[in-house]
Amino acid sequence: AQKITQTQPGMFVQEKEAVTLDCTYDTSDPSYGLFWYKQPSSGEMIFLIYQGSYDQQNATEGRYSLNFQKARKSANLVISASQLGDSAMYFCAMREHYGGSQGNLIFGKGTKLSVKP
Amino acid sequence: ETGVTQSPTHLIKTRGQQVTLRCSSQSGHNTVSWYQQALGQGPQFIFQYYREEENGRGNFPPRFSGLQFPNYSSELNVNALELDDSALYLCASSLASYGYTFGSGTRLTVV
Repeated sequence: AQKITQTQPGMFVQEKEAVTLDCTYDTSDPSYGLFWYKQPSSGEMIFLIYQGSYDQQNATEGRYSLNFQKARKSANLVISASQLGDSAMYFCAMREHYGGSQGNLIFGKGTKLSVKP
Repeated sequence: ETGVTQSPTHLIKTRGQQVTLRCSSQSGHNTVSWYQQALGQGPQFIFQYYREEENGRGNFPPRFSGLQFPNYSSELNVNALELDDSALYLCASSLASYGYTFGSGTRLTVV
């Protein structure tokens, strides 16, 4: 079973508008972390935002915010005021805290965001 | 502080050959992990090293092996290359498994 599901293979957004990228996760570990990364065509994974499972408030980092709904196991990324430079692949990832692979990230398949001028 | 540097950036190998990819971790980061990203997919965890010891491994065969050195630089070795090994290989360094800093990757093509 997939642990990270990103149901939107591709999204379009008009420049200066907000966009929400969906992510649902599956884990039985009560302690976990959720990450969003941006991957431009150059290949580098750029960290955007982090949410811990015990964090009471939704994480925010500049134009990025994470809509964390623990009961629904969703961690959607909201990008406000989209810019042309936001066009890239976006990956949701989870880190669990048990087992031999403690600390590694589990990634979704990604969403390709295209910002239109 | 410097970021994560990977070399080479691109590589073409023939099926059956062996390859070594290198990663220079971010200063002070004692954990390094390697990921394989096939075209159109998300990265898949290969293995992780902490203080020169492997402490986690994904679903990859033994022909994928690694090393971490005292200066926290790292190598990924792949023996008996197969066509399906063609992918972007990403290295990530971290401190205390909190924040991960990724390199730009090595794009390996096996022909």
